[in-house]
Amino acid sequence: DVKVTQSSRYLVKRTGEKVFLECVQDMDHENMFWYRQDPGLGLRLIYFSYDVKMKEKGDIPEGYSVSREKKERFSLILESASTNQTSMYLCASSFLTGGYGYTFGSGTRLTVV
Amino acid sequence: KNEVEQSPQNLTAQEGEFITINCSYSVGISALHWLQQHPGGGIVSLFMLSSGKKKHGRLIATINIQEKHSSLHITASHPRDSAVYICAVRSGNQFYFGTGTSLTVIP
Repeated sequence: DVKVTQSSRYLVKRTGEKVFLECVQDMDHENMFWYRQDPGLGLRLIYFSYDVKMKEKGDIPEGYSVSREKKERFSLILESASTNQTSMYLCASSFLTGGYGYTFGSGTRLTVV
Repeated sequence: KNEVEQSPQNLTAQEGEFITINCSYSVGISALHWLQQHPGGGIVSLFMLSSGKKKHGRLIATINIQEKHSSLHITASHPRDSAVYICAVRSGNQFYFGTGTSLTVIP
């Protein structure tokens, strides 16, 4: 069974902490994505990557960075967490061309206090 | 203006009813997805469409490329269908999402 695995289901961090959210997929997908989901705003793209060491900004990259050192792993980094980054974070992956279906992880609910 | 608009935002139905959720988009697309998100956050990809119609069990998805419109239908709805349904489109290497339709099916 193919999977996108996010390292934590729930996370509580303090303002100013550096936060790492990890995502691993086992489908050999080229594309990987990080979204945040907030009530009334739907899913918003933070960053995506279409290859190892490649990254592209999404709609709301401010306050975030990403790392993709290996094809299967895509990390989202909050350099200095703030309370407005309290949200549900979802990772997804897909093939680059053809078979455009997404597979999503189960999400990480991050609370910054 | 959102590139993807869904309607309705909220929907309550009695068990057994036929349900339709609509999605309109304003960009040229290579594919449209219908996603289902259950309480607790997990998202499942239901359909990926680039033309015509697809059916899976009680779920049917249609797309009209000329009108830039897609519909998701649920026949004989059941309380376990209660979830948020999200329309998403791929345009080049960009992805756009609707804000979702929250469906509640009452026994």
